[in-house]
Amino acid sequence: SQTIHQWPATLVQPVGSPLSLECTVEGTSNPNLYWYRQAAGRGLQLLFYSVGIGQISSEVPQNLSASRPQDRQFILSSKKLLLSDSGFYLCAWSVGGNIQYFGAGTRLSVL
Amino acid sequence: AQKITQTQPGMFVQEKEAVTLDCTYDTSDPSYGLFWYKQPSSGEMIFLIYQGSYDQQNATEGRYSLNFQKARKSANLVISASQLGDSAMYFCAMRGEDDKIIFGKGTRLHILP
Repeated sequence: SQTIHQWPATLVQPVGSPLSLECTVEGTSNPNLYWYRQAAGRGLQLLFYSVGIGQISSEVPQNLSASRPQDRQFILSSKKLLLSDSGFYLCAWSVGGNIQYFGAGTRLSVL
Repeated sequence: AQKITQTQPGMFVQEKEAVTLDCTYDTSDPSYGLFWYKQPSSGEMIFLIYQGSYDQQNATEGRYSLNFQKARKSANLVISASQLGDSAMYFCAMRGEDDKIIFGKGTRLHILP
């Protein structure tokens, strides 16, 4: 069966520090991969999505970047975090853009 | 460009009553998919129901049904016989032809005993 791993569950980082959030999927090949951010009590904002290795579509210009070094690995990064980067980050996968399955999320607090 | 709109930020409903959560969408893609997800306070995203743009019948999954009105570009979620455990945030989402999936701002549903 397919599973998605996202870590860490919580993270507290100072302003200006780097960020690396990792997401891996098991049990499927060539999935579409997505990164979303959710501000407290708000909706999900699509940040990046990828339909294949090395293929990244960016939806929101900001200080975040994403990479897909392997078929089932999706990484969200930042060189210097801002206070506004705080939020709940969710990774998701789907096959062919159908039903998405979400990771447990990472609660990031930038102080 | 794709757009999803949920106009109800919050709803209060008496237990055992039916609930309709509104969702309208806009896309120029002829082929698309519509989803509903539930997010309890734990933060996990739970898939509820899916409707394809070419599906002739409205999707149903247990107590959940999707009222798909293509001409009006609406995809409302209907929950029959609501339960206390249905209290959560509910998100409508849409997938376009490029497999991009975007979400609405959500509706917070409160079920009252």
